[in-house]
Amino acid sequence: NAGVTQTPKFRILKIGQSMTLQCTQDMNHNYMYWYRQDPGMGLKLIYYSVGAGITDKGEVPNGYNVSRSTTEDFPLRLELAAPSQTSVYFCASSPQAGQYGYTFGSGTRLTVV
Amino acid sequence: QKEVEQDPGPLSVPEGAIVSLNCTYSNSAFQYFMWYRQYSRKGPELLMYTYSSGNKEDGRFTAQVDKSSKYISLFIRDSQPSDSATYLCAMRDGSGNTGKLIFGQGTTLQVKP
Repeated sequence: NAGVTQTPKFRILKIGQSMTLQCTQDMNHNYMYWYRQDPGMGLKLIYYSVGAGITDKGEVPNGYNVSRSTTEDFPLRLELAAPSQTSVYFCASSPQAGQYGYTFGSGTRLTVV
Repeated sequence: QKEVEQDPGPLSVPEGAIVSLNCTYSNSAFQYFMWYRQYSRKGPELLMYTYSSGNKEDGRFTAQVDKSSKYISLFIRDSQPSDSATYLCAMRDGSGNTGKLIFGQGTTLQVKP
C-alpha cells in the first residue's frame, strides 16, 4: 500500500546540471501532477497529466519537462538547473479530475548551488 | 490579486481551543473545496473536501463554504498539540477535466500544551 512514491528525497545539484525526479503510484490513478512549494508561496503547478501519453503545462513549466509513458510513472526532468529551481517538489495523483483531492508523495527537497 | 488568499500566520493557540482557519477566493466558478494538513517536511494530506456551499463535519473538524462571500473555513474543536501543522486550502472549478487545484499559501498553526 505504497501510494505515491518519490525519489530521491534530497538532492544537491550544481548550476547547469540535469536530473530526473521520479514519481510512481500504485493506485491506478489516471491523473498525476507535479507541484513545487517555496516558503510562504503555497503550491505551484508545474506539469500535469490526465492519462498515459497525455501531458500539459501548468503555471510554472519553464525549465522542466515531463513524460507519461505508463499510468504508474510520471518523472519530472530538470535541464540546466538554476538556483531558482531550489524548492521542494511534490508529485500527486487523483483517480478523477481532482474533485475529491489528491494523494501526495512525501516530496523531493532540491537545492541548486 | 491571487485567486486564493490565505493568511500565513503563524497562529498560536492553547491546547483545547477552537481554531478557525480561513481562505478567500476570487473565482466564482470554484465548486470543489478542500483542506490539506501538512506536517513539517512531509507531503500534504487531505483532511476534508466539500462540494459547493454548506458545512461538512468529520470528528473534531468542520469545513464551511460560503460561496456568496467567496469564503471557506476550517474549524478545529478541542485542538491538540498533534494538530500543529500547516493547513492549506485548495479549490477547483466545476467544469473541465484537468483536475488542477489552486492552493492557498497555507496557515501555520501551533497548539501549545
